[in-house]
Amino acid sequence: SQELEQSPQSLIVQEGKNLTINCTSSKTLYGLYWYKQKYGEGLIFLMMLQKGGEEKSHEKITAKLDEKKQQSSLHITASQPSHAGIYLCGASGSSNTGKLIFGQGTTLQVKP
Amino acid sequence: GAGVSQTPSNKVTEKGKYVELRCDPISGHTALYWYRQSLGQGPEFLIYFQGTGAADDSGLPNDRFFAVRPEGSVSTLKIQRTERGDSAVYLCASSLGGLPDTQYFGPGTRLTVL
Repeated sequence: SQELEQSPQSLIVQEGKNLTINCTSSKTLYGLYWYKQKYGEGLIFLMMLQKGGEEKSHEKITAKLDEKKQQSSLHITASQPSHAGIYLCGASGSSNTGKLIFGQGTTLQVKP
Repeated sequence: GAGVSQTPSNKVTEKGKYVELRCDPISGHTALYWYRQSLGQGPEFLIYFQGTGAADDSGLPNDRFFAVRPEGSVSTLKIQRTERGDSAVYLCASSLGGLPDTQYFGPGTRLTVL
């Protein structure tokens, strides 16, 4: 069965620093999603990547999907305390189902 | 517009009891998904509906779990003979229905089985 591995599991950075979170699959992905979750709350959609080599940005967050569509990265530039939370990658392993498999999450703390 | 809503936000029950969790999707979304999330883990897929029918129920752990969506809008997740291991946050999401398609999540129902 497909699994998504996220790294690192947790991250503490100083405000203003850049950081990267990785999401890796052993199989080709058909739609890669990044979500953010605050403790005790639902998931907030950030970005979706579908094509190999695709890159999207929103404010200070950039997400990329590699050419093989097996690895994605989420990069935050000049981190702020508001970026703190749990980042989750989710993906479909098939083109004919809406079922998503999620990584275990990366917990980000930003120190002011 | 209104997002996905879930009720109740918290549910505490005793082992062996029956519970129902409700999800109201975003208006116009034809696909609806149920996941559950244990502490420190990512969400785990349970079932998804396309309209009124279950398109994929491969994630339901056993026959104590059942979900319905009779009119293609609101969905109810039903758990019979609850066990302590069922304690988790149950998340609902909805989407327009394409594949792949962005899923928008509700705040979740925290179920605690004593």
